[in-house]
Amino acid sequence: AQRVTQPEKLLSVFKGAPVELKCNYSYSGSPELFWYVQYSRQRLQLLLRHISRESIKGFTADLNKGETSFHLKKPFAQEEDSAMYYCALSRKSSGDKLTFGTGTRLAVRP
Amino acid sequence: DTGVSQDPRHKITKRGQNVTFRCDPISEHNRLYWYRQTLGQGPEFLTYFQNEAQLEKSRLLSDRFSAERPKGSFSTLEIQRTEQGDSAMYLCASSSSGSGETQYFGPGTRLLVL
Repeated sequence: AQRVTQPEKLLSVFKGAPVELKCNYSYSGSPELFWYVQYSRQRLQLLLRHISRESIKGFTADLNKGETSFHLKKPFAQEEDSAMYYCALSRKSSGDKLTFGTGTRLAVRP
Repeated sequence: DTGVSQDPRHKITKRGQNVTFRCDPISEHNRLYWYRQTLGQGPEFLTYFQNEAQLEKSRLLSDRFSAERPKGSFSTLEIQRTEQGDSAMYLCASSSSGSGETQYFGPGTRLLVL
C-alpha cells in the first residue's frame, strides 16, 4: 500500500529565509507526486506536480526515487506563502486517487 | 462555471440521523472523487466515479455510506445512522479522465455529529 509521510506538522521561518517542506513516500511502482496547498479560508488547490517539472510561485520540488522523497523548496519565503501544504501521491492503475500526507503548516514571520 | 461546488457547507446533526451531501463538479469533468478529512490529518480517499460508474470504494466507506452519481453530473454522499466518529470535513474533487489530470477540489462540507 502507498503511504506519504510529512514529518513536520509546523515549520516556522522568517521572511526571506529558505524553506524546505519534507515529503517521503512508500510505493513500489512509479507514482505521480503532487504538492497541494490550502491558504486560509480557501479550498485545497494544486501547487505543483513532479511530471511538469515547473516552478510555481517560486516553489520547486524534485522527485528523488532513490530516497523516495519529494521535498518542496523555495529559496526566499514570503509572508503570503503561509499556508497548509500537503504532499500527495497517485497511481495510474487506481483511477488517480490521491493519497495525502498529514500536512505541514508553514508560517512565515515578518 | 466557477469550479466544484458542495452543498451544504456545514451540517450539524444528532447521532443516528441520516445526512446527504451534494457535489457539483466542473461541467466537463467526468471523474468525481469523495475524500474525508479529520482534524490534523490529510484528506483520505473514500470513493470515485467515472461518469455514472462508481469504480472504487475505500475500506473506510462502511455500509452506512453510499454515494451516487446518477447522470454522470452531480453526486450525492449519504451517511445513514450517523455516529460521532463521522464528524469530519467531506471533500469532493473532479477531474478529466486523462492520466494524472489535476483534481480540483470543492470547499467541503463540514459535518458535526452530536
